[in-house]
Order: sequence, then C-alpha cells, then structure tokens
Amino acid sequence: ELKVEQNPLFLSMQEGKNYTIYCNYSTTSDRLYWYRQDPGKSLESLFVLLSNGAVKQEGRLMASLDTKARLSTLHITAAVHDLSATYFCAVVMGYALNFGKGTSLLVTP
Amino acid sequence: SAVISQKPSRDICQRGTSLTIQCQVDSQVTMMFWYRQQPGQSLTLIATANQGSEATYESGFVIDKFPISRPNLTFSTLTVSNMSPEDSSIYLCSVPGVGNYGYTFGSGTRLTVV
Repeated sequence: ELKVEQNPLFLSMQEGKNYTIYCNYSTTSDRLYWYRQDPGKSLESLFVLLSNGAVKQEGRLMASLDTKARLSTLHITAAVHDLSATYFCAVVMGYALNFGKGTSLLVTP
Repeated sequence: SAVISQKPSRDICQRGTSLTIQCQVDSQVTMMFWYRQQPGQSLTLIATANQGSEATYESGFVIDKFPISRPNLTFSTLTVSNMSPEDSSIYLCSVPGVGNYGYTFGSGTRLTVV
C-alpha cells in the first residue's frame, strides 16, 4: 500500500521567513506532484517533478525530488500572505494520484 | 492541459436521496478519476472510470453506493446514492496530465446532506 506522508501538517509562519514542507512516500515512483488548494476551491497544479534530482521554481516556491530517498521538498522563500493555503503532494500509483494529508500554511504579518 | 467543467458546484440534499455529478472534459481522455474530500481532509480516490468498461473502485467504495457512468471519452458522471450526512464532502473529478502538466481537476461539487 502506497503511503504519502507530509510534514508538517500545520504551519504558521511570519512574512519574510523561509520554510520547507516535506513529502515522503513509500514506494518507487519517479513522478511527484504538488498542488495548492485555497479554501472552498479546487486544486491548482504547482509543480510536476518527473525525474530524480528534478528542481522547479515558481516565484517564492521551489520544489525538488529525490527518488532514491523517496522524498520531495517544497521550499518557501520570504513568505507572503498570499501563500496562505493548503499544499498537497501526490504520487502516482497505477494511474491515479495518491495524496498526502496536506500542509495547511498560514502566513502572518 | 485539459479543461474540466463540473456541475453542480454545490447542492444541499435530503438524506435517502441521490445526486448525480457530471464532468465534461474539453478533450478525449482514456481515464477519469473521482475523488472525495471530506471536510478538512485530503483527497481519497473513489474510482477510476474508463470508457467502455466498468469503473474500478477503491477499497471502501462500492458500485451500489457510487455508480459511475462513462459513456464516451469526454464525459463521466458519479452518483451518490441513498445519501446520509456522512456523505457530506467535496467530490472532484480529475484527468491525467500530459508531460509536464499536472493532473487537472474539476472545480468540485460541495455536497451537504441534511
């Protein structure tokens, strides 16, 4: 059974600070996805990581994938309030995505 | 990436009734997925819907409760049958991404059972 574990599950951080969200998964996979969900909204695709060592950056967010360690990270640089949301990582098993529990991020002044 | 139109966006239903949720994709896709997101929780896969064959259900989900139709490569429905308050959730459909595109999700159906 595939397990996808995120930590932390809740994160309150001050504007301007840096932090990293971790995503561990239990089975071999070379595809990992990061999504953002705002309250009451659907999921927005942030990053698609397709190979070991993949690193992608968009604005203040940077995601990386280490398939050997079965670990992905989502790094937040100089957080701003607009980044407040829930972030999910997901791994493909079969053909469908299997999600972590999500990290609820609150950025405060 | 594909665009999905999902409806209804929300509904309030009486217990014991059924609700059918529709997803229309703007391109042909082999697989469609249906997820449930209970309040404050992550997404759980209900079933995979392939055109021309019966849907494949995940553990804990049965066809009698969540019948799925997939009449063609751009459309699918999920019915939540004989609803109880425990069925109150957001239901989302999804299709696979291609290449560097992530899987696309419908806008979701927020279901409240009273």
